Order: sequence, then structure tokens, then C-alpha cells
Amino acid sequence: AQRVTQPEKLLSVFKGAPVELKCNYSYSGSPELFWYVQYSRQRLQLLLRHISRESIKGFTADLNKGETSFHLKKPFAQEEDSAMYYCALPHTNTGGFKTIFGAGTRLFVKA
Amino acid sequence: DTAVSQTPKYLVTQMGNDKSIKCEQNLGHDTMYWYKQDSKKFLKIMFSYNNKELIINETVPNRFSPKSPDKAHLNLHINSLELGDSAVYFCASSQEVGTSFLLYEQYFGPGTRLTVT
Repeated sequence: AQRVTQPEKLLSVFKGAPVELKCNYSYSGSPELFWYVQYSRQRLQLLLRHISRESIKGFTADLNKGETSFHLKKPFAQEEDSAMYYCALPHTNTGGFKTIFGAGTRLFVKA
Repeated sequence: DTAVSQTPKYLVTQMGNDKSIKCEQNLGHDTMYWYKQDSKKFLKIMFSYNNKELIINETVPNRFSPKSPDKAHLNLHINSLELGDSAVYFCASSQEVGTSFLLYEQYFGPGTRLTVT
């Protein structure tokens, strides 16, 4: 069954420190993974997607098929990075297209 | 110019009441969704509509009934509200293009915080 696991509910780092938000997936095909972010009092929005190989706001994520992971990384965390982060796996089944979201990790960047 | 809008933003009501949440998107997307975010911030899909047709109906109590009058609108009606229905409900939309749908992100509304007392 398709599944997305974010093992950390809360991650607290100091400003300037590296940050890694973990995401592991279970998927029978070749996955396309996304990271969404929800800043305080804002709507959920796309941060980056695997297929674009992009770096957004200093964040990158590499798909590791061997480890079935798509961890989100940033070398130097900023206070404005404090937010809720969701790893997401879009897929199709007989019912149509849908996205499975992980449980989310709250990142808190301390001054 | 808001892409996905929801009304109301806050909804406080008593158990047993019936309420509706409205969602509109002006992005021209074909697919719309309802998600429920519980108190632990867990986000779970409830329904998905494509061109006004119900595509996905997760294991949601039948007290929840979505309605899509046109592809720009997806409303959620909830009958006989229960305490456990208290959550933030998010509407979202996306564009599916053939088999390239995986490239297309979902655009979320601001959420409706429902509190059942």
C-alpha cells in the first residue's frame, strides 16, 4: 500500500544550523514526491517537487530509491523557515488521482 | 486575486446541526478536493471531484456530502454535526493533463476552522 512517513512531529534547530526533515515512502511504482509547507496563518503551498530538481528558499530534496526516502534539507536554517512541512506522494488508483500526505513535521528555528 | 477561496473562515456550531462550507477556484482547474486536518495537523483527503464528477470518496461518514454545481465550485455539506468533526477543512484544486498530472501541484484554500460544541 502507498504510504508516506514523516517520523518527526517536531524538529527544533538553531538559526544557521543545518536542517533535515525526514520523509520515507512506500510505493510500488516510480514515485514522484512533493514537499508542501504551511507557514503560520497561511495556506498550504507547494515548496518543491522531485521532478523539477529545484532548490526553493535554499531547500533541496533528493529522491533515494534505495532507501525509499525524500528528505528535505537546508544547510543554514532561517527563522522564517519555521513552519509545518508535509511530504506528499501523488498517485492514481482505481478511484482516480489523489495525493497522500505524511503526518507533517513542525520545524521551529530558534534565534 | 485569490485562487482558491473558502467560506466561512470560521464556523462554530452545536452538535446535531447541519452546516455547509463553500469553495471556489478561479484557476480553471478540472479537479477539486476536500481535506480534513485534525488537531494533530494530520491531513487526510475526503473527496475528489473531476469536472463535477465524484472521483474519490474516502471512508468518510455519509453525513458528509460534497456537491459540485460546476467545475469551479465544490461545496461540503455536513449533517448532524458531531464533536469529532471539529477540524480545519481545506479545499484544493489541481489541473490534470493526461498522464502528466503528477507534475501539477495542488492549490489550497485558506481553510475553514470548524468547531463543534
